[in-house]
Amino acid sequence: EVQLVQSGAEVKKPGESLKISCKGSGYSFTSYWIGWVRQMPGKGLEWMGIIYPGDSDTRYSPSFQGQVTISADKSISTAYLQWSSLKASDTAMYYCARRKGEWELFPWGQGTLVTVSS
Amino acid sequence: QSALTQPASVSGSPGQSITISCTGTSSDVGGYNYVSWYQQHPGKAPKLMIYDVSNRPSGVSNRFSGSKSGNTASLTISGLQAEDEADYYCSSYTSSSSLVFGGGTKLTVL
Repeated sequence: EVQLVQSGAEVKKPGESLKISCKGSGYSFTSYWIGWVRQMPGKGLEWMGIIYPGDSDTRYSPSFQGQVTISADKSISTAYLQWSSLKASDTAMYYCARRKGEWELFPWGQGTLVTVSS
Repeated sequence: QSALTQPASVSGSPGQSITISCTGTSSDVGGYNYVSWYQQHPGKAPKLMIYDVSNRPSGVSNRFSGSKSGNTASLTISGLQAEDEADYYCSSYTSSSSLVFGGGTKLTVL
C-alpha cells in the first residue's frame, strides 16, 4: 500500500525553527514528486511547493518562496518542510502528498498541525 | 497566482444531483486538462476524487464525474448520499509550472 506518514503535531513559539517530515512507503520514493499543502484554520488548501526526491529538484509557489524550505532525504524516503523563524501566521495544518500522474495528488499524508503561539 | 473560483456552498437532497463549478483562466483551467477534484471531510486529509478533468481513481464511486468547458471545470455528484457531505476543492496545473487550488465548496446534503 502506498502511504505517506507525517510527523506529529508541534507547538512552537514565534521565532523558533521547525522541520516536519513526511515518510513515504510502498512505492519507489525517488520516482515521484512530493508536494506540500497548507490549510490555515477554517480555510482552504494552498499550494506551497514540490520536490523530486530523485535529484532534489524543488519548485516553490511564489507565495511561499523564501518563507519555507522543502528538502528530501532519499536514503530514508522522507521529505521535509522547514521554517527558520516561525510566525503566528504559520499556524496551520500542513499536508504532504505524492504527485501521482500529471498533476493529481495521491495519496495524502494525514497532516501535521503546527501551532505557533507565545 | 489567484485561487480558482468555486461557489462557497451548494446543497441538495438525497438522491438528487449537484454540480460544483471551478472557474479559472486560460493560464490554468482553460489551458490544460490537468484539473483534479478533492473531497475533504472535517478533520480528515483531502481525498482525490477526479483527475485529468474526468478520470476517476480506482475505488471512487461512479456517482462522481468531471468535465470542463473553456475556463470552467465542473464536478457532478449524482444520487446524493449523506456521506457525500464534505468540502470539495478543485485544482489545476498552471502556466507557471505550479498548482493552484480553488477556494473550496461546502456541500450540504439536506
